[in-house]
Amino acid sequence: GQNIDQPTEMTATEGAIVQINCTYQTSGFNGLFWYQQHAGEAPTFLSYNVLDGLEEKGRFSSFLSRSKGYSYLLLKELQMKDSASYLCAVREYNFNKFYFGSGTKLNVKP
Amino acid sequence: DSGVTQTPKHLITATGQRVTLRCSPRSGDLSVYWYQQSLDQGLQFLIQYYNGEERAKGNILERFSAQQFPDLHSELNLSSLELGDSALYFCASRHQGAEDYGYTFGSGTRLTVV
Repeated sequence: GQNIDQPTEMTATEGAIVQINCTYQTSGFNGLFWYQQHAGEAPTFLSYNVLDGLEEKGRFSSFLSRSKGYSYLLLKELQMKDSASYLCAVREYNFNKFYFGSGTKLNVKP
Repeated sequence: DSGVTQTPKHLITATGQRVTLRCSPRSGDLSVYWYQQSLDQGLQFLIQYYNGEERAKGNILERFSAQQFPDLHSELNLSSLELGDSALYFCASRHQGAEDYGYTFGSGTRLTVV
């Protein structure tokens, strides 16, 4: 099984940096994913970590510590269009189960 | 367009009724995953199929069932509908061999039970 926790909501200012944390417990870890979801739309893939460390992709970076069951998504140079929910998801080792946290709603203000 | 096609986009029906949601995965993808997302909630994993076979079950109610056909499209059947079944239903597919891209989602079916 799995237990994925994220903050419910965060607010940040345009141009700033924000870090969204995710903690998880799983019986067979095989990858952590971050997705972005605008209200009423499909989630879209942002990043993937399977080994410890930082993965950077433009304005977005994701970090993973498997021993701590912890990940974060770092968003730099925030833009108004970054206002969305950010979903942390954990895949179990057999590729057959892919669980999402409840998501963090990010509000970017001018 | 993600390549994952879901129909219909919107569905309004009465309590007690039965509906069928359809999903066609991206070309070449063998897996289909179904998720339910209630208002302001996270994605709840329902069920997964791989090449026609059920592979994993999540929090799927007994009133719900699914299947994947030889052409790889999948259908999610929801019966004896209740008001609480109103939600967005997403399907997703995973590209064989591309394990680091997670899953690609369709645009969802918004079900409203009145």
